[in-house]
Amino acid sequence: AQKVTQAQTEISVVEKEDVTLDCVYETRDTTYYLFWYKQPPSGELVFLIRRNSFDEQNEISGRYSWNFQKSTSSFNFTITASQVVDSAVYFCALGSGYSTLTFGKGTMLLVSP
Amino acid sequence: EADIYQTPRYLVIGTGKKITLECSQTMGHDKMYWYQQDPGMELHLIHYSYGVNSTEKGDLSSESTVSRIRTEHFPLTLESARPSHTSQYLCASSGRAMNTEAFFGQGTRLTVV
Repeated sequence: AQKVTQAQTEISVVEKEDVTLDCVYETRDTTYYLFWYKQPPSGELVFLIRRNSFDEQNEISGRYSWNFQKSTSSFNFTITASQVVDSAVYFCALGSGYSTLTFGKGTMLLVSP
Repeated sequence: EADIYQTPRYLVIGTGKKITLECSQTMGHDKMYWYQQDPGMELHLIHYSYGVNSTEKGDLSSESTVSRIRTEHFPLTLESARPSHTSQYLCASSGRAMNTEAFFGQGTRLTVV
């Protein structure tokens, strides 16, 4: 069975602070994919990044960066110099084989001015 | 920008009414999904489809039904709405390959009074 754990239910930061959202996953598959989605107050889930299990290279996209470590089964997401527009619920998800995506319970990020 | 559409965005309806939530995508995706999301944020998969004439129940038991007569269309129906059906319903689609991300619609906020 697959499982995704986002232990942080809610995080509050002040603008310009850096913040890391944790994601720990469990799977028996050797080939799998990890995803991060952002859900702003408007409700739509927006795809942010996909990472496959055999590519542990970290990735940076502007203020966003992702740290994938197979040794600890983690795929953490860091926002540098957070902004109010980053306020949203963030979901980590796991996919493998022909199964449907397994989502974590989400982390609500509140960035105050 | 994802081409997946849900209508209506908001719906308030009386108990016992039959309702259909519409979901259409123009990306030619084989896979489509329905998620239910309560205020606690967690996403629950209630139905999915891997193609025309294929429908499966998800992890969360639901009294709703779905159909997949055309690739682009995946409506969800409640025969007799109840207050317990009040929730946000999110539709998504993805390509056939395992590593493709899912694209989400903007959701339907359903309130049954």
